[in-house]
Amino acid sequence: QLQLQESGPELVKPSETLSLTCTVSGGSISSSSYYWGWIRQPPGKGLEWIGSVYYSGSTYYNPSLKSRVTISVDTSRTQFSLKLFSVTAADTAVYYCARHDNYGPMDVWGKGTPVTVSS
Amino acid sequence: EIVMTQSPATLSVSPGESATLSCRASQSVSSNLAWYQQKPGQAPRLLIYGTSTRAIGIPARFSGSGSGTEFTLTISSLQSEDFAVYYCQQYNNWPPLTFGGGTKVEIK
Repeated sequence: QLQLQESGPELVKPSETLSLTCTVSGGSISSSSYYWGWIRQPPGKGLEWIGSVYYSGSTYYNPSLKSRVTISVDTSRTQFSLKLFSVTAADTAVYYCARHDNYGPMDVWGKGTPVTVSS
Repeated sequence: EIVMTQSPATLSVSPGESATLSCRASQSVSSNLAWYQQKPGQAPRLLIYGTSTRAIGIPARFSGSGSGTEFTLTISSLQSEDFAVYYCQQYNNWPPLTFGGGTKVEIK
């Protein structure tokens, strides 16, 4: 059974870089069928897609965040990672990783990890 | 970017009654529309994809319909575990993948 687990610091200072990793277990991250994405949810608000990466390394970003985001994949470690640069308090959220295919829903989600941006 | 709009924001329903949730897309998403359920402190869970196909393990009281720009999630005979927030999401035209703002189904 495929499982995703987010990990990384829960507290980041303003203007610094938020770095998270999603570890995939119970399945292959190298499947040609799937993309691996990051989604966030500010406290009390809705879901926002940040971006996704294909196993080949191709990336797709939300235009609203594109200038500050890098997503990468490490197939040898069955992990993919998120870097969000120059964070502010507005980046405080629960960050989820999830799997989806090109024309498909997000069918497997991690449990989410809370990240607070504060000095 | 395709904007997804959900209504109502909050729906008050008595247990055993039915609930009808709406989702509208700013342009056609064909049938590439999913619904998710989210309970407090939990990750979203996939309920419906392809507008009307239930995900594995989802009870038959959840049904989806629509096409193009107008979509509906119906929950018949609401159970206590169904009170949650529901999101629609389009995956027809991306990036970006976009979600609706959510509908909270609360106990009346």
